[in-house]
Amino acid sequence: GAVVSQHPSWVICKSGTSVKIECRSLDFQATTMFWYRQFPKQSLMLMATSNEGSKATYEQGVEKDKFLINHASLTLSTLTVTSAHPEDSSFYICSATDLGRAEQFFGPGTRLTVL
Amino acid sequence: DAKTTQPPSMDCAEGRAANLPCNHSTISGNEYVYWYRQIHSQGPQYIIHGLKNNETNEMASLIITEDRKSSTLILPHATLRDTAVYYCIVRGNSGGSNYKLTFGKGTLLTVNP
Repeated sequence: GAVVSQHPSWVICKSGTSVKIECRSLDFQATTMFWYRQFPKQSLMLMATSNEGSKATYEQGVEKDKFLINHASLTLSTLTVTSAHPEDSSFYICSATDLGRAEQFFGPGTRLTVL
Repeated sequence: DAKTTQPPSMDCAEGRAANLPCNHSTISGNEYVYWYRQIHSQGPQYIIHGLKNNETNEMASLIITEDRKSSTLILPHATLRDTAVYYCIVRGNSGGSNYKLTFGKGTLLTVNP
């Protein structure tokens, strides 16, 4: 199956700082990437959908100015959590797909802890 | 996308078949049934998907009823490593943002030695 990586796998930061998370498709070109977050004991919640070269589409209730998404190439998307606060602490997961595939492939996730 | 209903938890003995049910009574004609699983603290893993015919791959089998209102994921010989939350998701297959997946609460399958 296709491989998606995320970096870093975990990060701890101070409140008010910004954190960037990378999502890479390693062996295929991802025309569409998705960003999810998952709080403890809850299911995955979609945050936004990004298509290569265009602006991301955010789900209702997700602040686009706080969660900046860039999908500048067919193999890389980044999520930047700006001015992070403790309530942003969560497990952030990306997935990727392309027009020729029906399934999405998920990264291993990034655990963010904001102190 | 159509809503799905799954039992919150199931147990299975190691080496036995695990049969995970899913109800999707409001599924529409062009929607597929997808199954993913998530092992603790990892990203979800794609398992299998189907439209109306039964499907089988190296991981599992998917049985979809004739009226398509329910389906069953079968892990033929469950191992301890199959302990995970299993998500049944119904989704259309048109392009772009229609590829997005809506995750419910899933079924926590615990495989016991």
